[in-house]
Amino acid sequence: EAAVTQSPRSKVAVTGGKVTLSCHQTNNHDYMYWYRQDTGHGLRLIHYSYVADSTEKGDIPDGYKASRPSQENFSLILELASLSQTAVYFCASSGGNYAEQFFGPGTRLTVL
Amino acid sequence: GDSVTQKEGLVTLTEGLPVMLNCTYQTIYSNAFLFWYVHYLNESPRLLLKSSTDNKRTEHQGFHATLHKSSSSFHLQKSSAQLSDSALYYCALSEASQGGSAKLIFGEGTKLTVSS
Repeated sequence: EAAVTQSPRSKVAVTGGKVTLSCHQTNNHDYMYWYRQDTGHGLRLIHYSYVADSTEKGDIPDGYKASRPSQENFSLILELASLSQTAVYFCASSGGNYAEQFFGPGTRLTVL
Repeated sequence: GDSVTQKEGLVTLTEGLPVMLNCTYQTIYSNAFLFWYVHYLNESPRLLLKSSTDNKRTEHQGFHATLHKSSSSFHLQKSSAQLSDSALYYCALSEASQGGSAKLIFGEGTKLTVSS
C-alpha cells in the first residue's frame, strides 16, 4: 500500500484561479515537503514542515502557500494560479535529518 | 549557499557500456550527506543510495558511488548499462539547517537513456 498519496493526480486550472494540491502519508513521519519538477531545474523545494500546524518556506515559495493540519496531511495552495506554475508537483515525507525521503506519485498541474 | 551540480543533463549510452553520472557539491558543513535518487517514468522518485563516509564505496542494485570530500564529488557508476536503467537520476545533498529541518538540495538531474 502506497505510503505517500497525492490528489488530484492531474489538474487543469485557469489563470487566476485557486488550486489546492493534497498529500497524505502513512509513514508516521514528522517531515513533509512539496517540490516542483521542471525540465532543466530538477526538483525544487517549495515549502516543508516538520510538525503539524507549522510550515516553512523552501527555496521557491513565492506564489504558494502550505498547510499542515495534521501529521499525515500537507497541502499546497496556489491562491492565484499563473501560467508559470504549470509543472509536476511532488510531495514527500521523511523521518528526520539525513533520512531518506519517500515521494508520492506526483500531480501534473496545467495552468491555462 | 549549499549547492549540487550535475553537469550532464542528458547521457545516452549503448547497452553494456559503463555508466558514470557526475555529481559535485558545495557545502559549509563538514558532515555532508549525499544521496542519489532515481526517477523512472510514471513512477515516484526513490532513493538509490546514500553516503556520508569519506572514501567509502556504497553499492545498491548494481550501482555504486564513493563520496570524496577532498574533491566534493559523489559520482554514480555502473559497470554495464541495461535498458532498464533508463531514468532520471538526481544527486542530492542533505542540509541540516537551524530548527532541526531535514532539507535536501537536489541537482538539476541527469536523464540517462540506454539503447540497444
